[in-house]
Amino acid sequence: AQSVSQHNHHVILSEAASLELGCNYSYGGTVNLFWYVQYPGQHLQLLLKYFSGDPLVKGIKGFEAEFIKSKFSFNLRKPSVQWSDTAEYFCAVNPPYAGKSTFGDGTTLTVKP
Amino acid sequence: DGGITQSPKYLFRKEGQNVTLSCEQNLNHDAMYWYRQDPGQGLRLIYYSQIVNDFQKGDIAEGYSVSREKKESFPLTVTSAQKNPTAFYLCATGQESGANVLTFGAGSRLTVL
Repeated sequence: AQSVSQHNHHVILSEAASLELGCNYSYGGTVNLFWYVQYPGQHLQLLLKYFSGDPLVKGIKGFEAEFIKSKFSFNLRKPSVQWSDTAEYFCAVNPPYAGKSTFGDGTTLTVKP
Repeated sequence: DGGITQSPKYLFRKEGQNVTLSCEQNLNHDAMYWYRQDPGQGLRLIYYSQIVNDFQKGDIAEGYSVSREKKESFPLTVTSAQKNPTAFYLCATGQESGANVLTFGAGSRLTVL
């Protein structure tokens, strides 16, 4: 069974700082990779996804993630965070056609104005 | 307006009682999921269904039951056998068969007194 590890449980940054959230997964085959975000008081929603092709994917609100197959990683990045990025971020993986996704424990990001 | 409706939003129950959480969708998605969200533990899969009249156990199915009699509906029953039922429950649907991009409802918070 696949598993997902997010290295940071709580990250605190000042506005304009750069962000990188780590995500590693354990699964030997092809996987689809996702980052979801839960803003305070809002639904969990998709931030970005990787299925195949260019390992650097771009999502909403200036976020991007890089898939490094050799490291089983899919780290989330943003060059300059804003106060509105304060949220909980979840990494998820699923093998294609497995029918289900496995989530990491989540990282709470707090951005100080 | 397409989406997922979960009800009730908040629910209190006494120990020993069963309770059913509703999840209805009008997105015409085939797959539906129930996740449990606890602080610091991410999302854990309870049950999922990829087609009407069929469902599979997730990672933490003990003490829960589901049905999928209609494409639009996937109710979750939390039975008295569930040892720690107090949690936030999220319903999701899956689009893009195989890719499994999830759309989430607003969630139901169950508190056992």
